[in-house]
Amino acid sequence: EIVLTQSPGTLSLSPGDRATLSCRASQSVTSFLAWYVQKPGQAPSLLIYGASSRATGISDRFSGSGSGTDFSLTISRLEPEDFAVYYCQQYGHSPHTFGGGTKVDIK
Amino acid sequence: QVQLQESGPRLVKPSQTLSLICNVSGGSISGSGYYWSWIRQHPGKGLEWIGFIYYSGSTFHNPSLKSRVTISLDTSQNHFSLKLASVTVADTAVYYCARVHSSGYIGHWGQGTLVTVSS
Repeated sequence: EIVLTQSPGTLSLSPGDRATLSCRASQSVTSFLAWYVQKPGQAPSLLIYGASSRATGISDRFSGSGSGTDFSLTISRLEPEDFAVYYCQQYGHSPHTFGGGTKVDIK
Repeated sequence: QVQLQESGPRLVKPSQTLSLICNVSGGSISGSGYYWSWIRQHPGKGLEWIGFIYYSGSTFHNPSLKSRVTISLDTSQNHFSLKLASVTVADTAVYYCARVHSSGYIGHWGQGTLVTVSS
């Protein structure tokens, strides 16, 4: 099973700041990596798939990069609604697995 | 726009079988191009992929759940279901159903339902 390690566990930032979240895989998943955001009391929702493709309706403030084992999600300017938990997921190998999440909270 | 909604008992006794249904609207579960999946989230924790089923009936489940998982399709009702046998308190979680793109990313999620295992 591929293990995804997300860092940091918590990122404390202010609105308007730039956020960079990391996801590292225990072995290569090529570009089969997605990012999701989960707000309190809600289901996760898709932000990025294929490591760098934005899902429909997602702001261009969100960008994904990386391939192989090292990936990142960047939020260029944090808006109030961006303070949430972010998960990466690999779907290159079964079983599909998720990272432990990065919480972006208000500093 | 496809929508998914989980339904089923919210409280299950230890050793019994957890049973959930995911009703799908706005799209047919009979079509190719998507998998239909179950994911769970233990309280305050991360996400765990349980398994999925394809319109053809092919299934795959997480080996960590061994043989306790059964996922099935009912095309006449346009829903799919999850059965998890021999539950313990460790199976207490929010259970989500989801539509998965054929390449593997999850495009649509149900709102989730909390299932508590307790005597």
